[in-house]
Amino acid sequence: GAVVSQHPSRVICKSGTSVKIECRSLDFQATTMFWYRQFPKQSLMLMATSNEGSKATYEQGVEKDKFLINHASLTLSTLTVTSAHPEDSSFYICSARDWSGGGKNIQYFGAGTRLSVL
Amino acid sequence: GENVEQHPSTLSVQEGDSAVIKCTYSDSASNYFPWYKQELGKGPQLIIDIRSNVGEKKDQRIAVTLNKTAKHFSLHITETQPEDSAVYFCAASNRYSGGGADGLTFGKGTHLIIQP
Repeated sequence: GAVVSQHPSRVICKSGTSVKIECRSLDFQATTMFWYRQFPKQSLMLMATSNEGSKATYEQGVEKDKFLINHASLTLSTLTVTSAHPEDSSFYICSARDWSGGGKNIQYFGAGTRLSVL
Repeated sequence: GENVEQHPSTLSVQEGDSAVIKCTYSDSASNYFPWYKQELGKGPQLIIDIRSNVGEKKDQRIAVTLNKTAKHFSLHITETQPEDSAVYFCAASNRYSGGGADGLTFGKGTHLIIQP
């Protein structure tokens, strides 16, 4: 399957700082990428849909000024957690959609980023 | 919006036995149902998927069945092995093809434990 690279895998930061997470599709172009958040032993919750060249679409309850998304190219989307606080600590996972498989909505996931805010 | 229910939350089976995980969905417009396997500290990996115009799909020891009328789909793993131990998530989407950029709606996950 296609490869999605997510970086960093783990970050520890002080409260009030901003953290940027990168998501790259390595062997295919992704006009659409998705950002999910996962709490321990829970399911993935969609935060936002990142569209190349346009504004991201945020799910209800997700603060767009808190979680800035930029999808500047067909292979890169970034999520910036601004002014992070301890309650933002979580596992953030991106996925990229590959349409090349006969039109199937296949999403390939990155390995995730463990964010710990002190 | 879509709501996906997944059962059981934990499943323990003896190595070599079969495991079945079940999901139901609420949106009759959903037409694509992937299954993901997530190992500890890693992102989900797609293991099998099914479209709404197909009732069953098989890939070696893994199979998925879909009942559109009941809005129910299941993952079947036969001849389970220790490396099958992981958390499995079902998901649903109504964007099989064409335009649109909806994300997947996930079930809550099933922790599958293979007892040696």
